[in-house]
Amino acid sequence: GAGVSQSPSNKVTEKGKDVELRCDPISGHTALYWYRQSLGQGLEFLIYFQGNSAPDKSGLPSDRFSAERTGGSVSTLTIQRTQQEDSAVYLCASSLTSHGSEQFFGPGTRLTVL
Amino acid sequence: ILNVEQSPQSLHVQEGDSTNFTCSFPSSNFYALHWYRWETAKSPEALFVMTLNGDEKKKGRISATLNTKEGYSYLYIKGSQPEDSATYLCAFNLPGGFKTIFGAGTRLFVKA
Repeated sequence: GAGVSQSPSNKVTEKGKDVELRCDPISGHTALYWYRQSLGQGLEFLIYFQGNSAPDKSGLPSDRFSAERTGGSVSTLTIQRTQQEDSAVYLCASSLTSHGSEQFFGPGTRLTVL
Repeated sequence: ILNVEQSPQSLHVQEGDSTNFTCSFPSSNFYALHWYRWETAKSPEALFVMTLNGDEKKKGRISATLNTKEGYSYLYIKGSQPEDSATYLCAFNLPGGFKTIFGAGTRLFVKA
């Protein structure tokens, strides 16, 4: 079956612009996670969704970052007024349930802020 | 502060060598421990999820053990092959929360 998909695969933007990243999880997966990997760093947790609800937003780096999920499926991660330090690979993952289930990752979106 | 430590940071081995990596995590409030393999230009792929102290899991030449009392897990690769070259990530879940904290990974290079 189809895996997790993300779009766009690459995004180059100018500092100060807003960007929207999309994640399509595996059908039927209730949990959805966003991570980012900055150059030379490990995977950094940003936010997770259980259904459409995001109980833990503590990982979002600043109030310029927001995320939503609709219909228990597609999620979008929005970064407003992008800064150069936002440049990273943004990975989305989904899992069948949330508590301790293995996560299936998408291919990521490489964001470059000039 | 919750921290997952992995060692070594990188490892170079010859084809046929057996190797192992370590993941250390907070032993209090443990729920689950994950291992993932991340090959270059691909997405991370789940290897194991372990929840019970003493758990041992195996998939082909790769196996893992878990000690929740002392807060560590080992990943073993028997008879390394060039296709095992990847970054091996360890991740930790707390109970009651779904935040997944990843270690920085161990980068394995297997030379033919």
